[in-house]
Amino acid sequence: AQKITQTQPGMFVQEKEAVTLDCTYDTSDPSYGLFWYKQPSSGEMIFLIYQGSYDQQNATEGRYSLNFQKARKSANLVISASQLGDSAMYFCAMREGETGNTPLVFGKGTRLSVIA
Amino acid sequence: EPEVTQTPSHQVTQMGQEVILRCVPISNHLYFYWYRQILGQKVEFLVSFYNNEISEKSEIFDDQFSVERPDGSNFTLKIRSTKLEDSAMYFCASSDYRGLAGVEQFFGPGTRLTVL
Repeated sequence: AQKITQTQPGMFVQEKEAVTLDCTYDTSDPSYGLFWYKQPSSGEMIFLIYQGSYDQQNATEGRYSLNFQKARKSANLVISASQLGDSAMYFCAMREGETGNTPLVFGKGTRLSVIA
Repeated sequence: EPEVTQTPSHQVTQMGQEVILRCVPISNHLYFYWYRQILGQKVEFLVSFYNNEISEKSEIFDDQFSVERPDGSNFTLKIRSTKLEDSAMYFCASSDYRGLAGVEQFFGPGTRLTVL
């Protein structure tokens, strides 16, 4: 079974609009962390935002926010005021367990295209 | 800002040849990882390394692969006899230990391996 599911292979958004990228996850571990990474065409992996399973509030980092719905096991990324530079692949990832040394499990990604 | 570096950025090799991919993790980090991403696919975990030994490895990490930390700074991935299906982007990542699931893994820029 997939641990991380990203159902949107591709998304388009108008510049300056907000966009939501979906991510659902599957785990039986009560302790886990959820991450979003951006991968531009140059190929590097850029960390965007993190949400812990015990966090009471949704994470925010500048224009990025994470809509964390624990009961639904979803961790959607919201990008506000989209910019042309936001065009990239976006990966949702999860780490299970209490410690920070377990590997990340990635979803298949969503390709976001921002239109001027 | 400290960063993970990887060399070479692109490696072309003949099938059956040995390759060594090199990484310099962030200096005070204790956990090291290799991931790979076949073109157009998701990022997959290969191996994690801590305290000079493998912590965890995936099914992909078979006997053809090995990792080493030959000195205090480098972390290497060796593929003994490359196959066509080893063609991928290989990412090195590192993290420090905070005992929390939320500790970020910092990714290097990747090495694109092409096996002919």
